[in-house]
Amino acid sequence: DTGVSQDPRHKITKRGQNVTFRCDPISEHNRLYWYRQTLGQGPEFLTYFQNEAQLEKSRLLSDRFSAERPKGSFSTLEIQRTEQGDSAMYLCASSLGNRNEQFFGPGTRLTVL
Amino acid sequence: GIQVEQSPPDLILQEGANSTLRCNFSDSVNNLQWFHQNPWGQLINLFYIPSGTKQNGRLSATTVATERYSLLYISSSQTTDSGVYFCAVRLISSGSARQLTFGSGTQLTVLP
Repeated sequence: DTGVSQDPRHKITKRGQNVTFRCDPISEHNRLYWYRQTLGQGPEFLTYFQNEAQLEKSRLLSDRFSAERPKGSFSTLEIQRTEQGDSAMYLCASSLGNRNEQFFGPGTRLTVL
Repeated sequence: GIQVEQSPPDLILQEGANSTLRCNFSDSVNNLQWFHQNPWGQLINLFYIPSGTKQNGRLSATTVATERYSLLYISSSQTTDSGVYFCAVRLISSGSARQLTFGSGTQLTVLP
């Protein structure tokens, strides 16, 4: 399978705990994006990397959120001191070149109890 | 700010019927994509169509960039077409920013 992969697919945690999600983009895609989707809404942009550089961050990305893409390949998204409002589907996408067509992974569904 | 509006919000069809979904956007775009989100949450690429017309089997899409809208046509609908259809754009005015802005989607239900 050469698509975008995400791990874990589901995560249940208690309020106040830290969680980390991983995204592996399509091989050789230089751009990687994180989005968040809540029930009944379209995905909302969180942050974007070109290679290992984090170029854009949304106002949605509070201080409790941090993302990395250390070698320009996979990326991690960490949420510290989770809150119930963080419950959502976290989606990762990747793209290549100027065409910028984005391909999405299956998502990580986070539930904060 | 960037506005992407989709209509209708909900659509219920009998199997075999045709449908048209609409996406209006507030400014010129250099990327427009249509997605189908399946019941498990996976976003499936349907079309990359910043302008022009494309067809893929029973699905086709048209973007009229000068009038700031895009249409997704589904013909001879099947129950497996059910799900949420999203339009997402990247505006030219967003400059170097590459992220997509999504509409709120059209929930399609196809009845057997």
